[in-house]
Amino acid sequence: EPEVTQTPSHQVTQMGQEVILRCVPISNHLYFYWYRQILGQKVEFLVSFYNNEISEKSEIFDDQFSVERPDGSNFTLKIRSTKLEDSAMYFCASREDRLAKNIQYFGAGTRLSVL
Amino acid sequence: GIQVEQSPPDLILQEGANSTLRCNFSDSVNNLQWFHQNPWGQLINLFYIPSGTKQNGRLSATTVATERYSLLYISSSQTTDSGVYFCAVEGTTGNQFYFGTGTSLTVIP
Repeated sequence: EPEVTQTPSHQVTQMGQEVILRCVPISNHLYFYWYRQILGQKVEFLVSFYNNEISEKSEIFDDQFSVERPDGSNFTLKIRSTKLEDSAMYFCASREDRLAKNIQYFGAGTRLSVL
Repeated sequence: GIQVEQSPPDLILQEGANSTLRCNFSDSVNNLQWFHQNPWGQLINLFYIPSGTKQNGRLSATTVATERYSLLYISSSQTTDSGVYFCAVEGTTGNQFYFGTGTSLTVIP
């Protein structure tokens, strides 16, 4: 089965530091997503990205967050100044074509721990 | 956004037992997927099932879109089935998944 790759698997950072979470979506996919899951809670949508721009974002995705597709393969989530409450599992997902109503494939996640 | 409710919230089974997990959603959907979150936190896609019935080994799923619910059946459960099962739906407008709160399954030997 096709695979979305996320690195690192676990990131530990100090409060106030910037972090970049990296994702390599499936190669022919056009839509990219970030979700997060605070420990013990449900998975929440952060942002979707298509054609090199944000297509939708949630209230969680404030000015501290940004996304980028710096080259043809990577998709990154940057948190500018981390807070304790940013500690969570972050999932990247991609899909081939939204109009085809097809599957969102999820990566294995990056666990972010803010100390 | 779409409300997604899952039941039961917790389930403990003896190995070999069968179970049914339910997902109710509040609006029409274009996409519905079932996931298993393993102890390492990974989300494993089980089914893409916006409507109809699918089977994969001991697992099967049915979505009745007109009545806004989906069911996940686990037969002959094994200890490796333990974890949290999430249902996620995507509405007819917008471009995001709404996840349920999950069913935490524990299978004991």
